[in-house]
Amino acid sequence: GDSVTQMEGPVTLSEEAFLTINCTYTATGYPSLFWYVQYPGEGLQLLLKATKADDKGSNKGFEATYRKETTSFHLEKGSVQVSDSAVYFCALIKEYGNKLVFGAGTILRVKS
Amino acid sequence: DAGITQSPRHKVTETGTPVTLRCHQTENHRYMYWYRQDPGHGLRLIHYSYGVKDTDKGEVSDGYSVSRSKTEDFLLTLESATSSQTSVYFCAISESGVREAQFFGPGTRLTVL
Repeated sequence: GDSVTQMEGPVTLSEEAFLTINCTYTATGYPSLFWYVQYPGEGLQLLLKATKADDKGSNKGFEATYRKETTSFHLEKGSVQVSDSAVYFCALIKEYGNKLVFGAGTILRVKS
Repeated sequence: DAGITQSPRHKVTETGTPVTLRCHQTENHRYMYWYRQDPGHGLRLIHYSYGVKDTDKGEVSDGYSVSRSKTEDFLLTLESATSSQTSVYFCAISESGVREAQFFGPGTRLTVL
């Protein structure tokens, strides 16, 4: 079945460091791909999305590119801030589908 | 932010009691979803609705039922709560469902003693 695999955390970085959180997926066809962020005590917020191969989603300095050949959607940010500390979830909706499939989430901790 | 509220935000109950959680939206979106969040599992779909009185099961639907009598409200009921249902429950909505992003409510933390 469809699945999403994220790198295990927690990921601990110093402020202004470069961030990569790996995400790979298993799904037939061309799913839509998403990154959500969850701050402590809050619900999930959509961070960015991509709906077809080679699309790049971007928001708030975060980017992710839909790579069909490697079935990946890695999240990157050039310079993290303490305020980026949160849990990040990669997710997909399969082609013609309406159900989100989530990865387990990656905790990011940024130290000043 | 999408207009989604959940009530209650926190609840403590005892094993064997019925519990109903409510999700209310002001966006007039067709699709509504209930998820549970547990450490190490991300979010898992319990049930979803694609219109008034139209619902379907997700991957972890056992022990849960849902109802949707109005576009804006989607209720999740635990008929007889068990300790394994201790979790954080999130409601989500999307406009048309297919391939679209979903927008999440603030969550309900449920503890079953």
